[in-house]
Amino acid sequence: GAGVSQTPSNKVTEKGKYVELRCDPISGHTALYWYRQSLGQGPEFLIYFQGTGAADDSGLPNDRFFAVRPEGSVSTLKIQRTERGDSAVYLCASSATGQGYGNTIYFGEGSWLTVV
Amino acid sequence: AQTVTQSQPEMSVQEAETVTLSCTYDTSESDYYLFWYKQPPSRQMILVIRQEAYKQQNATENRFSVNFQKAAKSFSLKISDSQLGDAAMYFCAYSTSGTYKYIFGTGTRLKVLA
Repeated sequence: GAGVSQTPSNKVTEKGKYVELRCDPISGHTALYWYRQSLGQGPEFLIYFQGTGAADDSGLPNDRFFAVRPEGSVSTLKIQRTERGDSAVYLCASSATGQGYGNTIYFGEGSWLTVV
Repeated sequence: AQTVTQSQPEMSVQEAETVTLSCTYDTSESDYYLFWYKQPPSRQMILVIRQEAYKQQNATENRFSVNFQKAAKSFSLKISDSQLGDAAMYFCAYSTSGTYKYIFGTGTRLKVLA
């Protein structure tokens, strides 16, 4: 696609529920990233995929968070047993490669998750 | 650990005037990249300008330019001839040598007054 597409745009869920957030990167981009942006803060790194594999998941806050990218394009961020502290905007981004000069990352518009 | 600090939570500028947004960072690396991203209400982070640390020349993109002071670890953004469409949150970001992990500051909200 022309840009990074994320769905849903907004999601309200009850505490304890399971949610999935989807990201469709720019066509041909091998690298995909998830960031989390809490209110009044800058984005914080969660996980990075190179192709189908998670090359770095060091930013995932705990084992309730999991992400997959089974075919190397679309990715899903999964959150189990949601807590109110999970409320944030979840930003997905992609880039042509994962490193090196000129590795500019392009962000989607994010999924705004509210846990009530 | 690398950190990025934006000390101005909010700034205002009159339309057509010039404004400077501040950013400082801390790192022990010698090779890194610095970025300014704009985030309008749509939430999409849009790259404004990028600076490679090994380049002494300040980056410029049309009305946007930076003042990169490597020794002082300072990276400010100057917006000339401000337009109403420039109103947004602006985030300063750092990455080591083009890697994937960006570290963002807390942002500066820019208001443009007509």
